[in-house]
Formats: sequence, structure tokens, C-alpha cells
Amino acid sequence: LAKTTQPISMDSYEGQEVNITCSHNNIATNDYITWYQQFPSQGPRFIIQGYKTKVTNEVASLFIPADRKSSTLSLPRVSLSDTAVYYCLVGDITGGSYIPTFGRGTSLIVHP
Amino acid sequence: DVKVTQSSRYLVKRTGEKVFLECVQDMDHENMFWYRQDPGLGLRLIYFSYDVKMKEKGDIPEGYSVSREKKERFSLILESASTNQTSMYLCASRIPTSGNHEQYFGPGTRLTVT
Repeated sequence: LAKTTQPISMDSYEGQEVNITCSHNNIATNDYITWYQQFPSQGPRFIIQGYKTKVTNEVASLFIPADRKSSTLSLPRVSLSDTAVYYCLVGDITGGSYIPTFGRGTSLIVHP
Repeated sequence: DVKVTQSSRYLVKRTGEKVFLECVQDMDHENMFWYRQDPGLGLRLIYFSYDVKMKEKGDIPEGYSVSREKKERFSLILESASTNQTSMYLCASRIPTSGNHEQYFGPGTRLTVT
């Protein structure tokens, strides 16, 4: 299974763009990259997933370079409510054999 | 909306008790998971189930067992609770569709073993 590395914590201010980078040097050909968000005392919530290049939805953007050895979650104009832990996962769900491994995630604190 | 429910939000048990944590999902998902979450350690996988009556050990299965008799229900069992099993327990489910890795999580059960 591909292992991921993320910063343990990040700080930002309201209105700024936040970029959280995840390293996954041994990502396999069929692996997807998935990001989750978790607020205190809640279960994680799916944010975005991608395979290559760029994916955007109403919450975030995901940038994946050509070699796919890293990915960057971009949160535009963060607010205090974006304070949460963000997890990067890598794997291939085909055939139901993908075991999602969450790791410790990145704790983002947004300041007023 | 997909809904994953867990039987209790908070639970207090005594050392040595047998504890059942129940998880129910309403979207006919094949795969179900049990995690525990502790400060500074992230989410760690205890057991998962690909489908009814199927189960596989995760990273930390010691001291736990599971049961999946029906597709919608996945139970985590602590045969003899110990204080080091005090934790937040999270259940999740998903459909194993190629290209879709979204897991749906329940609200969690905070278990305290005294």
C-alpha cells in the first residue's frame, strides 16, 4: 500500500488560500488520491478525489502533478469553519481490495 | 442521503465487561469498517468486512472481534473491555465501485472503560 506523508499542522488566517501537500512516492498505477475532512467529535467527511491533473468541486481543488508522487489540496479563502484535520489517502478500490489508511492527517487552524 | 448510525454516542463500561458497538447503514453498501481514533494517532483500522459474513483484520484487531450477519449491520465486540480500549470508535461504509473511494462515516461512539 502506498504510504502518505503530510505536515502535522498548519496555520492560516481567514480569507487566505490554504494549500496542503501530501507525498506518496510509491503510488501505484491504479491508485486514486482521496482527501477527507474531520471536525472535532465527528467522523471524517469526503472532500475530493482525483487520479491526475486537476479536480475542482464546490469545496476544494486537488492538484496532481504528472508523476503523481504528490498532491495538493487547495482550499480557497478559508474561514474559521475550515479549522479541521485533513487526511490524504491513496489506493485503488477496484475489486473491493483497497484498505483505506488514514494516518495522522494535517491539523489546520484558521485564525481570525 | 447516505446514513450511517452508531448505537451510542457515549458509553461507559467497566473493565472486564463484554461490549457491543453497533453500526447500521441504510444504503446497501457492501463494505463496512471499524476504526478507532486516539489523540495524535489518527484513525486506525480495527476490522473491515467486504460483504455479509466476511471479515478481515485491520491494523489493530487484538482484543476485538466483529460480526456481520446482515448487510446493513456491522458489530464490533470487545470480549473483555480494558482501560486501553478507551477511545473514539468510528464506523464507515462504502460501495466498492472503481473510481469512487468515498467512505461514509457514522458520528462515532466515545467509549470509556473504567
